Amino acid sequence: QKEVEQNSGPLSVPEGAIASLNCTYSDRVSQSFFWYRQYSGKSPELIMSIYSNGDKEDGRFTAQLNKASQYVSLLIRDSQPSDSATYLCAVYFQGNTPLVFGKGTRLSVIA
Amino acid sequence: SQTIHQWPATLVQPVGSPLSLECTVEGTSNPNLYWYRQAAGRGLQLLFYSVGIGQISSEVPQNLSASRPQDRQFILSSKKLLLSDSGFYLCAWSVRGGRIIYGYTFGSGTRLTVV
Repeated sequence: QKEVEQNSGPLSVPEGAIASLNCTYSDRVSQSFFWYRQYSGKSPELIMSIYSNGDKEDGRFTAQLNKASQYVSLLIRDSQPSDSATYLCAVYFQGNTPLVFGKGTRLSVIA
Repeated sequence: SQTIHQWPATLVQPVGSPLSLECTVEGTSNPNLYWYRQAAGRGLQLLFYSVGIGQISSEVPQNLSASRPQDRQFILSSKKLLLSDSGFYLCAWSVRGGRIIYGYTFGSGTRLTVV
């Protein structure tokens, strides 16, 4: 069974710090990896996607993928109170199958 | 550009009443469509997904059903709601194809409270 694991948190970081969110997955054949941000009471919003080993940067966000370790992470630099949300990791494994979502990590950025 | 519409935004229904939630996608053809439920403080639970008209895959056996009468329309139904059906219902779409490379786009969701 395909699984995606995340620490539920809450992860608390001071404003301006780097927030590091981690995700592990169960199957080495995984091909695509996504990070979603979900504010309380709202629907998830796609913020990053990554497909190859290494780092991918977009503004203050950096996604890191290590397929050998089955590990994907999201770094948020210069964290702002507006970054406070739940971050969902999602993995596409293979075939015509839906994404598998982790349960999410709640991030709280303290001003 | 592609947009996804979900309605209603909120719904309060008595136990035993029927349910119909609708989702439509604009600006794309042949999308994959998904229904998720999120209980309070919990993760996303995949309920149904569809890769084409009339093609529905069910992930969770329960008193819910889904239909796809048109290419860009996805409907979630129940004949008799249970208290445990309360939650945040999300519709999502993705580009059809074997490998998911663009992720999903979610609708704004329906918050259902069964009383």
